Parts: sequence; structure tokens; C-alpha cells
Amino acid sequence: KQEVTQIPAALSVPEGENLVLNCSFTDSAIYNLQWFRQDPGKGLTSLLLIQSSQREQTSGRLNASLDKSSGRSTLYIAASQPGDSATYLCAVSLTSGTYKYIFGTGTRLKVLA
Amino acid sequence: DAGVIQSPRHEVTEMGQEVTLRCKPISGHNSLFWYRQTMMRGLELLIYFNNNVPIDDSGMPEDRFSAKMPNASFSTLKIQPSEPRDSAVYFCASSPQVTGANVLTFGAGSRLTVL
Repeated sequence: KQEVTQIPAALSVPEGENLVLNCSFTDSAIYNLQWFRQDPGKGLTSLLLIQSSQREQTSGRLNASLDKSSGRSTLYIAASQPGDSATYLCAVSLTSGTYKYIFGTGTRLKVLA
Repeated sequence: DAGVIQSPRHEVTEMGQEVTLRCKPISGHNSLFWYRQTMMRGLELLIYFNNNVPIDDSGMPEDRFSAKMPNASFSTLKIQPSEPRDSAVYFCASSPQVTGANVLTFGAGSRLTVL
């Protein structure tokens, strides 16, 4: 059974710092991996999707990497801003044909001004 | 596109009452998912549909929960009878069935409180 874990559960950093959020999964037979952002009381917003054949994806100050063999992904946020404060979740899509996503527990990020 | 639309946004009901949550997926998306989010258990997949057909309902907690997708633009999640432990935020999400591009898009959620 696929399990997705995110460490740390919570993180507080000063504005301007570069930071890394971690996601690990137990079964490397994934189809793709997606990072989401969730603001308090809101739905989830997709940030980046990495296909299983890719190593990384970039969008603005965000960079996500994927190492399938080791069951790990990282989300790198450069020059963090108070507006980046939110919960970040990763989700893995199981092998092709099911399109089913399993979510991690999330990392709650607070960027201090 | 207006995105995934869910209603109601908030529902407060008494134990034993029937609750119906509604979802309109993004036009053209073939897959639809119902998730439940709680502090204790995080995001749990309840059921998902491909082309209006339920594919996996193994996450549905018990027989009190049922979901339907009568057409490509509408789905319901029903709880009957509701219990206090059903209190949670219920999310609907949809994605296209496109190889390598099945980006999951979420609705704003329906916050259910069962007293």
C-alpha cells in the first residue's frame, strides 16, 4: 500500500530564506507526483506536476525534483516571502490507468516578515 | 472556465439527517474524485469516477456514504444518516485523462458540521 510522508510537519523561517520541503513515498511505481498549496480554509491549488520520466519542474521561485528510485521528492522555494505561508502537500498518482492520487500529510509553512 | 464548483460551501446539520454534497467538474475532465479532509487523518480519497463510472470506492467509510455521477457535469456525495464523526471538509476534484498531464484541480470544498 502506497504511503506518502512529508517532513517537517511544520516550518517557520524568516523572509528571504531559501527552503526545502520533503516528500517521501513507499512504492516507487508512481505515474507522476504533484505539489499543492493550501491556504487556511481554502481548497488546494496545484503548483507543479512532475511526470515519472522527469527529474524536475520549475515555476518561478519554485523547483520540484523527483527521485523515483529512492522514493523522494523535494520542493525548493527560493527567496521566501510572507505570501508563501500556507500548507504544502505532495501527492503521488499511482501507475497509469488508475489516475488515483494519494496525499501526504503536508508541511505547514510560515514565513516571517 | 469557472473551475470545479462545489455546493454548499458550509452545511450544519443534526445527527441522523441526510446530507447531499454537489460537484460540477471542469468541462472536458474525465476523472472526478471525492476527498475528505480532517485534522486527524488528512486528505483521504473516498471514491473516484472515470467517464462517469465509479472505479474505486474502497475509501468510502461505510454504507451510509454513497456517490453518484449521472452525467459528465455533475456528481453527488450523500451521507444518510449523518453522524458527528462525519464532520469534515469534503473536496471534489477533477482531472483530464491525458497521459502525463492529469493535473488534479480542486473545488473550494464543502465544510460539513454534524451536531
